[in-house]
Amino acid sequence: QAVVTQEPSLTVSPRGTVTLTCGSSTGDVTSGHYPYWFQQKPGQAPRPLIYDTNNKHSWTPARFSGSLLGGKAALTLSGALPEDEADYYCLLYYSGARSFGGGTKLTVL
Amino acid sequence: QVQLQESGPGLVKPSETLSLTCTVSGYSISSASYWGWIRQAPGKGLEWIGSIYHSGSTYYEPSLKSRVTLSVDTSKNQFSLRLSSVTAADTAVYFCGRITMGDYWGQGTLVTVSS
Repeated sequence: QAVVTQEPSLTVSPRGTVTLTCGSSTGDVTSGHYPYWFQQKPGQAPRPLIYDTNNKHSWTPARFSGSLLGGKAALTLSGALPEDEADYYCLLYYSGARSFGGGTKLTVL
Repeated sequence: QVQLQESGPGLVKPSETLSLTCTVSGYSISSASYWGWIRQAPGKGLEWIGSIYHSGSTYYEPSLKSRVTLSVDTSKNQFSLRLSSVTAADTAVYFCGRITMGDYWGQGTLVTVSS
């Protein structure tokens, strides 16, 4: 059973740039893991941001982007706003099943 | 627009079976998509439970596989979750959603396992 790893916490300055990563215990994360990214604020349902590595939903702000970076999936936030403070989760595909990372708590400060 | 709504008991006794249904509106469950369930225990992260295709093909989280059953009712545009032999560790908010593209999700329903 694969373990998906994320940074437990990160801090970014307002208007700054930060990259969150998502690794796999099975090796490099590739496009074949179809990485998804979700944002979750307290008391709310997860909000989808990115699917299949780098595809945005119609509601995804332009300041968010997805990629593969150094063997991991990555979510980059460029020009952070206070409302981006939230938990972020990645979800990876493993031959039908999927697995979430432990989440990254992003602070905008 | 597409909406998903979870329904089912909010309280389940230990050792019994948790049953939830997700009703989809604004989108046919028979489309080329996987539908599924995730959960979040209080103060914890998200956990993937499993997914099902309209044909009935399923994938389950390995650690839950022996206790989970997903099913689909295309005539009602619904899919369902059954989790047997529940314990307090299964207390969580359960979300249903479209796994393909991961775009549509319900608001979640809290299920508490307690006697």
